[in-house]
Amino acid sequence: DAGVIQSPRHEVTEMGQEVTLRCKPISGHNSLFWYRQTMMRGLELLIYFNNNVPIDDSGMPEDRFSAKMPNASFSTLKIQPSEPRDSAVYFCASSTASTQYFGPGTRLTVL
Amino acid sequence: GENVEQHPSTLSVQEGDSAVIKCTYSDSASNYFPWYKQELGKGPQLIIDIRSNVGEKKDQRIAVTLNKTAKHFSLHITETQPEDSAVYFCAASMWGSQGNLIFGKGTKLSVKP
Repeated sequence: DAGVIQSPRHEVTEMGQEVTLRCKPISGHNSLFWYRQTMMRGLELLIYFNNNVPIDDSGMPEDRFSAKMPNASFSTLKIQPSEPRDSAVYFCASSTASTQYFGPGTRLTVL
Repeated sequence: GENVEQHPSTLSVQEGDSAVIKCTYSDSASNYFPWYKQELGKGPQLIIDIRSNVGEKKDQRIAVTLNKTAKHFSLHITETQPEDSAVYFCAASMWGSQGNLIFGKGTKLSVKP
């Protein structure tokens, strides 16, 4: 099993640019979660999907953030326009019951 | 909603000693309590979990205990080794709900050789 796959692993961009993070969950898992991790705020849940449907997006910081899950094997998290305060490590996780399995993360730096 | 508190935030032990990390939760409906280990530059990895139908679970040098009455659970690492150095997170949820886990703030464990 390849585990949760995230791309890119590192992203450096300039303020105002659009950023798209990608996630491929573990095959057969029907829940997908996007988290953000910073030193100041720790691990924050941004949004999660069940069976490709967004269930709770109350953690999405503002309208600049959006997430989609067009099918069971792919999800994106988009930030448009990006700001320096969005710099963080973004994790995707998937689960089939309650146990979540995390991907390696995308380290985003917004200059 | 559920709230999980984790203590201590940092823990330093000598190699070979034991380490204990404690968490408390607020929602008595929670019945699933996983522990994750996050090494530098990696995502959190599940190391052990427990459901409320048991009070203790062991896996080699790692054990988790659960006290549902007091609403707290703990991670115990015996015979610590330098490779145990990492950030550990506890979490709580309802098993099978397919909802989100509520995480503690994490404990940075340092094992000194």
